[in-house]
Amino acid sequence: KQEVTQIPAALSVPEGENLVLNCSFTDSAIYNLQWFRQDPGKGLTSLLLIQSSQREQTSGRLNASLDKSSGRSTLYIAASQPGDSATYLCAASGRGAGSYQLTFGKGTKLSVIP
Amino acid sequence: NAGVTQTPKFRVLKTGQSMTLLCAQDMNHEYMYWYRQDPGMGLRLIHYSVGEGTTAKGEVPDGYNVSRLKKQNFLLGLESAAPSQTSVYFCASSAGYTQYFGPGTRLTVL
Repeated sequence: KQEVTQIPAALSVPEGENLVLNCSFTDSAIYNLQWFRQDPGKGLTSLLLIQSSQREQTSGRLNASLDKSSGRSTLYIAASQPGDSATYLCAASGRGAGSYQLTFGKGTKLSVIP
Repeated sequence: NAGVTQTPKFRVLKTGQSMTLLCAQDMNHEYMYWYRQDPGMGLRLIHYSVGEGTTAKGEVPDGYNVSRLKKQNFLLGLESAAPSQTSVYFCASSAGYTQYFGPGTRLTVL
């Protein structure tokens, strides 16, 4: 059974700092790895999706990398802003018939201090 | 374009009562999903559907039933609510692998 872990559970940084969020998964036979953002009391918003054949994806100040062999993914946020404060979740998909099913980590709560 | 909407936003039930949560999407997506989110447990998949008229079990299906009679709607039913079903329920839909989430329903079972 796939298990997804995110460490740390919470992170506080000053505005302008570059930061890295970590995600690890136990089963490397994934189809893709996704990063989401969740604001308090809201649903999830998809940030980046990395296919298993890819090594990284970029969107604006966000860059996500994937290393299947080590079972790790990282989300890099450049020049952090207070508006980046939210909980960030990663999710790994299965393969084959399970490729549309996601296993989520518990998230990292990010606070960017002005 | 409203995306994914969920009805109701909040609900309080007594143990043993039944209710149905409605999810609607206007993006013509084939795939729809129901998750629950609990403190310390993360999001867990309850049931999902790969098209109109189809449903399948996820990680935590016990105590729930679902129906997908119309492509745009996915219903989650609780026949006899239990306090362990107190949670925030999220619906999502997708055409490919990127899932789009609704705002959630906060359910409390007393």
